[in-house]
Amino acid sequence: SQTIHQWPATLVQPVGSPLSLECTVEGTSNPNLYWYRQAAGRGLQLLFYSVGIGQISSEVPQNLSASRPQDRQFILSSKKLLLSDSGFYLCAWSVLGREAFFGQGTRLTVV
Amino acid sequence: QKEVEQNSGPLSVPEGAIASLNCTYSDRGSQSFFWYRQYSGKSPELIMSIYSNGDKEDGRFTAQLNKASQYVSLLIRDSQPSDSATYLCAVNQAGTALIFGKGTTLSVSS
Repeated sequence: SQTIHQWPATLVQPVGSPLSLECTVEGTSNPNLYWYRQAAGRGLQLLFYSVGIGQISSEVPQNLSASRPQDRQFILSSKKLLLSDSGFYLCAWSVLGREAFFGQGTRLTVV
Repeated sequence: QKEVEQNSGPLSVPEGAIASLNCTYSDRGSQSFFWYRQYSGKSPELIMSIYSNGDKEDGRFTAQLNKASQYVSLLIRDSQPSDSATYLCAVNQAGTALIFGKGTTLSVSS
C-alpha cells in the first residue's frame, strides 16, 4: 500500500533562517506531488506541484522554492524565512488526477 | 483563475440530523471532485470522490455532482458529534493540481 512521510511535525525557526521540509512517498511510481500551505483558520493554498522529476509548477510567487530530485521525493525550501511563512505545510500525492493523499503536515512557526 | 467556493459556516446541526454542505467551482473543464474532512490540527482525509453527474453513496455520506450547474454537495445523514470538523471541497482538471475551497466548519451538537 502507498504511504507518505513528511517531517518534521513541528518546527520553530527564526526570521531569516533557511528552511527545508522533506516529503517521500512509498508504494507508487511517478506520482503527482504537491505542497500546500494552510494559514491559521484558512483554506489550503497550493504552493507547488510536480508531475515528474525536475518538473515543478509554482502557483504563487513567494519566498519559497521546491525541488524533486527523485521520483518519490519532494522538498520545500526557503533561503530566508519571513514571519508570513508561518503555517501548516502539507505534502500530498496523487495519480492521474485522482484523489490526493496527505502527509501528517509540518506546523512551522517563524519567530 | 480557477476557484472553488464554499460557505465557511459554521454549520450547526443537532445529532441525528442531516448536514448539507455545498460547493461551486468555476472551471467547466473540471473532471474530478472530492470531499475531505479535516479535524483541527490534523491533515485532510479523503471521505468521498465523485467523477460523474448524479449521486454517490458511501455509508452515511452522499456526494452529489451537477456539472451543468458547476455544483457539488455532500450530505451527511444521522450526523454524529464525531462528524464535527471542517469539510473541504476539492476539484481537479486532468493534468493539473487539486484546488481546494476554504472549507465549511460543521458542528454537531449532542
